[in-house]
Amino acid sequence: GAVVSQHPSWVICKSGTSVKIECRSLDFQATTMFWYRQFPKQSLMLMATSNEGSKATYEQGVEKDKFLINHASLTLSTLTVTSAHPEDSSFYICSAFPFEGATQETQYFGPGTRLLVL
Amino acid sequence: AQKVTQAQTEISVVEKEDVTLDCVYETRDTTYYLFWYKQPPSGELVFLIRRNSFDEQNEISGRYSWNFQKSTSSFNFTITASQVVDSAVYFCALRKAAGNKLTFGGGTRVLVKP
Repeated sequence: GAVVSQHPSWVICKSGTSVKIECRSLDFQATTMFWYRQFPKQSLMLMATSNEGSKATYEQGVEKDKFLINHASLTLSTLTVTSAHPEDSSFYICSAFPFEGATQETQYFGPGTRLLVL
Repeated sequence: AQKVTQAQTEISVVEKEDVTLDCVYETRDTTYYLFWYKQPPSGELVFLIRRNSFDEQNEISGRYSWNFQKSTSSFNFTITASQVVDSAVYFCALRKAAGNKLTFGGGTRVLVKP
């Protein structure tokens, strides 16, 4: 099956710093990638839809200047948490949709990135 | 708007017992997809099943089975003869046929005790 990787898997940073998380589709091209956030013991909440070559579409309530998304190629999307604060500590998960025949496909999820802001 | 409800937040069973996870969804679309995912303690989501709204046939895969009832907007998941390795959080999700966004339920945490 299709593989999606995320890097880093774990990150601890000081409050006020920016953190970049990468999401890569390893064996397929993805015009669309999704970024989710999951707080402890809660469900996944969609943050934004990342479209290759165009601006990301953010869900209501998600600050686009806070969570910068760049989908520069068909295999890579990045999420940058700018000026991170402790309340941004969460589990960030990306998923990717295959390039071809996507209507019948499911999303492939990355392993997630745990962010802890001190 | 779409909505997925998993009324059970946590279920605890003893190994070899059966466990059924409920999922009720709301959508105005006539064509849609339903999914179940498993999230073990490691955090990575594991895809279990995708069901097309046109296909109401129940499915069995090993110890897993799914009961799709369109009339009651439910897509329940049963683990037969549960094992400790089944301990995880299970999410039901809904997706429009025309779109890519997944709407997740709140998840049900299953704890299987030896």
